[in-house]
Amino acid sequence: DIQMTQSPSSVSASVGDRVTITCRASQGIGNWLAWYQQKPGKAPRLLIYAASSLQSGVPSRFSGSTSGTEFTLTISSLQPEDFGTYYCQQVNSYPVTFGHGTRVEVK
Amino acid sequence: EVELVESGGGLVQPGGSLRLSCAASGFTSTPYAMTWVRQAPGKGLEWVSAISASGGSTYYADSVKGRFTISRDSSKSTLYLQMNSLRAEDTAVYYCAKNSGGNTLAWFQPWGQGTLVTVAS
Repeated sequence: DIQMTQSPSSVSASVGDRVTITCRASQGIGNWLAWYQQKPGKAPRLLIYAASSLQSGVPSRFSGSTSGTEFTLTISSLQPEDFGTYYCQQVNSYPVTFGHGTRVEVK
Repeated sequence: EVELVESGGGLVQPGGSLRLSCAASGFTSTPYAMTWVRQAPGKGLEWVSAISASGGSTYYADSVKGRFTISRDSSKSTLYLQMNSLRAEDTAVYYCAKNSGGNTLAWFQPWGQGTLVTVAS
């Protein structure tokens, strides 16, 4: 199985801060990676697909990038509504696997 | 508006069975693969099973293989998950999700609101 190592496990930042979350795949997955945001008690929401493509309706302050097997989600200017847990997901091969999540707190 | 609504969750004893349903509206589900993902209380997301657009191909996580069966009724735009031989570790919120296309290996959007399955005596 492909392991997705996500870091940090949590981050606390102020409004306007730049926040970076990283996910490392245990083997090559090309660009077969997505990022999701989940708020407490709610279903996940797709933010980024194909490593760097912004899902329709998602604010442009969210962006994704890749370097080899390392993938990065960046929130360029953190907003109050960006709290929640963020997950990466690989869809290169079965089983589909997720990172363990990064909890984002807005101070 | 595209919407997925799960139902069928509840409390079941270890060894019991349960069938989850996921009704799709606002889009024709036929061209899309569909997926079940679960989330144990306070834990992360775990992929459970996927079914191709035609229903002819199915995939399972090792943790549920041989116990769970995914199926779909395109005439009713409904996805199912038959869960047998349930264990305490199957306790979770179960989400259905629409794959981005006909491929079972794809990102998921949208997701349903989830249905809670609790396995306990």
